[in-house]
Amino acid sequence: GAVVSQHPSRVICKSGTSVKIECRSLDFQATTMFWYRQFPKQSLMLMATSNEGSKATYEQGVEKDKFLINHASLTLSTLTVTSAHPEDSSFYICSARDIKDGTLNQPQHFGDGTRLSIL
Amino acid sequence: AQSVTQLDSQVPVFEEAPVELRCNYSSSVSVYLFWYVQYPNQGLQLLLKYLSGSTLVKGINGFEAEFNKSQTSFHLRKPSVHISDTAEYFCAVTNSGGYQKVTFGTGTKLQVIP
Repeated sequence: GAVVSQHPSRVICKSGTSVKIECRSLDFQATTMFWYRQFPKQSLMLMATSNEGSKATYEQGVEKDKFLINHASLTLSTLTVTSAHPEDSSFYICSARDIKDGTLNQPQHFGDGTRLSIL
Repeated sequence: AQSVTQLDSQVPVFEEAPVELRCNYSSSVSVYLFWYVQYPNQGLQLLLKYLSGSTLVKGINGFEAEFNKSQTSFHLRKPSVHISDTAEYFCAVTNSGGYQKVTFGTGTKLQVIP
């Protein structure tokens, strides 16, 4: 149980294009999803917290207009990297918490990540 | 604010030998602690968690960790490692109430040598 599907797993595109990454909770509902960015050989850096039906909460230093987040349903959150440039190349990982876990800080369930390469 | 320190960036160990991956945390409030494993080009998988109760926590794949409040540590151990344990391991902390933000350590790469 508690499967998070992230799509696509790998994207290669030209500089200036926009890229959308989907994060789906397959067998549970999630009011909150998280988007992380991971640079090579480094830890996960939280970019933003995605809240179903409301605006995302961005971490300090993350450009809201650059990384658009939409959480339109209890099972889907999307991250769109707008006008992507080579410096946006990274490994992006989403995670989700089961709505049934309530207010306890139960572990997040992670997707398998998206490797984004901007040429 | 909370923080996590994983002092060892890489830990090489021979197959079937024991291993300990160190994790220390800092927080002004009560915490929950987690260990995750990441295989190449994949997301994170939960190994084990400490929320409350017994300070010795057992997880999947034969791993266990001990919460030591006085030393603010949560070291991960396995008595006998396998080649398949080669991966990156992340320690993580979140406060036990309120905001759900999780802070990750910088990771420790466990390399099991045949």
